[in-house]
Amino acid sequence: QKEVEQNSGPLSVPEGAIASLNCTYSDRVSQSFFWYRQYSGKSPELIMSIYSNGDKEDGRFTAQLNKASQYVSLLIRDSQPSDSATYLCAVNNDYKLSFGAGTTVTVRA
Amino acid sequence: GAVVSQHPSRVICKSGTSVKIECRSLDFQATTMFWYRQFPKQSLMLMATSNEGSKATYEQGVEKDKFLINHASLTLSTLTVTSAHPEDSSFYICSARAGGPSYNEQFFGPGTRLTVL
Repeated sequence: QKEVEQNSGPLSVPEGAIASLNCTYSDRVSQSFFWYRQYSGKSPELIMSIYSNGDKEDGRFTAQLNKASQYVSLLIRDSQPSDSATYLCAVNNDYKLSFGAGTTVTVRA
Repeated sequence: GAVVSQHPSRVICKSGTSVKIECRSLDFQATTMFWYRQFPKQSLMLMATSNEGSKATYEQGVEKDKFLINHASLTLSTLTVTSAHPEDSSFYICSARAGGPSYNEQFFGPGTRLTVL
């Protein structure tokens, strides 16, 4: 069983729409959760961190965490072509990050 | 956010040679740095965890004698790929963990693309 699983994608959304990304994790004791954005050929860039159950909003991004369901999601509102990238869900375990395989998002102009 | 640099950004070498990659935290002190490898169309795979002043901890399946890691200061860690072979060609990325309230956040360097001929 993979530690961190993401919806496989690719996900194609029209410009201005909401992109919804999902992630589940297997280690119930995990406390820290992150979303990274990775453009092709580049390294990951941290866009959101979330530690408590509920929603956390930062600009057009909203992360949602449900520890009971071992589920974390990322919503991208008003999607822009510049949001086209691979989004990696990462879960902290013993100070190390476990990454999901990533979901590739394409925003159609 | 915190800034992490890597050098070189790209390297091409002949099979059998050794390559050193540097990772620096520019505006913070990083007691822990991490080295990842990413093959095309795959996610990041952690190779080792590097703590300042102590030996690195390698993930299962990673050869410590082939991938030498040195973390001599709070701002610098190096990865040396010894006797590189074509199968070592990959995107190597380091990250550094900042202290304080966001101590679990990792900030990534821009990566080093290694091509072994």
